[in-house]
Amino acid sequence: SQQGEEDPQALSIQEGENATMNCSYKTSINNLQWYRQNSGRGLVHLILIRSNEREKHSGRLRVTLDTSKKSSSLLITASRAADTASYFCATVFNAGNMLTFGGGTRLMVKP
Amino acid sequence: NAGVMQNPRHLVRRRGQEARLRCSPMKGHSHVYWYRQLPEEGLKFMVYLQKENIIDESGMPKERFSAEFPKEGPSILRIQQVVRGDSAAYFCASSRGLAGGPSSYNEQFFGPGTRLTVL
Repeated sequence: SQQGEEDPQALSIQEGENATMNCSYKTSINNLQWYRQNSGRGLVHLILIRSNEREKHSGRLRVTLDTSKKSSSLLITASRAADTASYFCATVFNAGNMLTFGGGTRLMVKP
Repeated sequence: NAGVMQNPRHLVRRRGQEARLRCSPMKGHSHVYWYRQLPEEGLKFMVYLQKENIIDESGMPKERFSAEFPKEGPSILRIQQVVRGDSAAYFCASSRGLAGGPSSYNEQFFGPGTRLTVL
């Protein structure tokens, strides 16, 4: 079955609220990454967190990684309507460079 | 420095025809990856190539699908005798070679994708 699984599958919030998305995986990883995809468009790389890191920040994004629970979370603070998109986590195994993607969380931010 | 380029951006084929998708990696990148995204799903790895060599094709269907990355020119993903279930977005990514051993990782940069529609 799939390596990365996101929850929730869909999330609807008001502008200004925080959005939290979670990702779980099954095997040891080298790193975990979060991507954003606007409807019908390509992928935008948001942030990469390595297996020996626990937390990383980038602007309004905060990513945590718990390797003991094999899970990660992406927090978007002070959301904006422009944050409306699908968000995917992707893991890289220790051997190999391929990305394994989860099913994604569809975020809608209402103005 | 141009990013990863894919063409065509949109491709329409009738059942039974062939589809050829092209990917030009970023300058200086020697590794190419192909991923497929079905509607409302995440991307699924298909194949990983370096020039003139397939490194991993574990995600690619055994029949009708093939990929190459020749010494000169773009990487090609070829789908023969397309069926409606092949309709998807196909993304290509590229990276530098893995110089740091098995535990290293080289960031992948994604192209805009080719959206294949099979009528």
